[in-house]
Amino acid sequence: DIQMTQSPSSLSASVGDRVTITCRASQAIETYLNWYQQKPGKTPKLLIYGASSLQSGVPSRFSGSGSGTDFTLTISSLQAEDFAAYFCQQTYSTPLYTFGQGTKLELK
Amino acid sequence: QVQLVQSGAEVKKPGASVKVSCKASGDTFTLSAIHWVRQAPGQRLEWMGWINAGPGNTKYSQKFQDRVTITRDTSASTVYMELRSLRSEDTAVYYCAKDIYSGGYYHFDYWGQGTLLTVSS
Repeated sequence: DIQMTQSPSSLSASVGDRVTITCRASQAIETYLNWYQQKPGKTPKLLIYGASSLQSGVPSRFSGSGSGTDFTLTISSLQAEDFAAYFCQQTYSTPLYTFGQGTKLELK
Repeated sequence: QVQLVQSGAEVKKPGASVKVSCKASGDTFTLSAIHWVRQAPGQRLEWMGWINAGPGNTKYSQKFQDRVTITRDTSASTVYMELRSLRSEDTAVYYCAKDIYSGGYYHFDYWGQGTLLTVSS
């Protein structure tokens, strides 16, 4: 199975900050990379698919980039509702879709 | 609008088995691919396996290959995930999720509400 490694595991930031989360794949996955946001007690919500395409309805402060093995999720200006956990997911090895270990974004 | 409704919370003893169901509505069941993902408290989402609901073919993570079986009942539009030889580390919320192919990529668009499995003696 393809292994996905996210960094950092946790991150403290303030409203208005620019935040970047990184995801690395154990082998090249082209741009078959999704990003999800998960709030406590809720199911994950898709933010970005295909490494850089913004899901409909997701605010434009979220953006994704990367290809091959290295990817980033950037939140340009943190809002209060963005404090949550973020997970990357590879969909290169259909249908074995593995996730990163998650990044918990907390209020500083 | 697709809905995935899972069975309720379970408490099992180590060594036992559990079977969790996921009933789909609002879509053509036999055209669906349903995945099972689990999440231990504070941990990552862990992909366990998948079933193509029409033909019934499956694929499992190497980690769970020997202990998990995913099946479906097309007449009931329901997918089942059975996990055997339970241990305390299997305590987690188990989700079913439906994938969608959009814009050249797959992603999970609908999720069940989750089923909490507690394994304890």
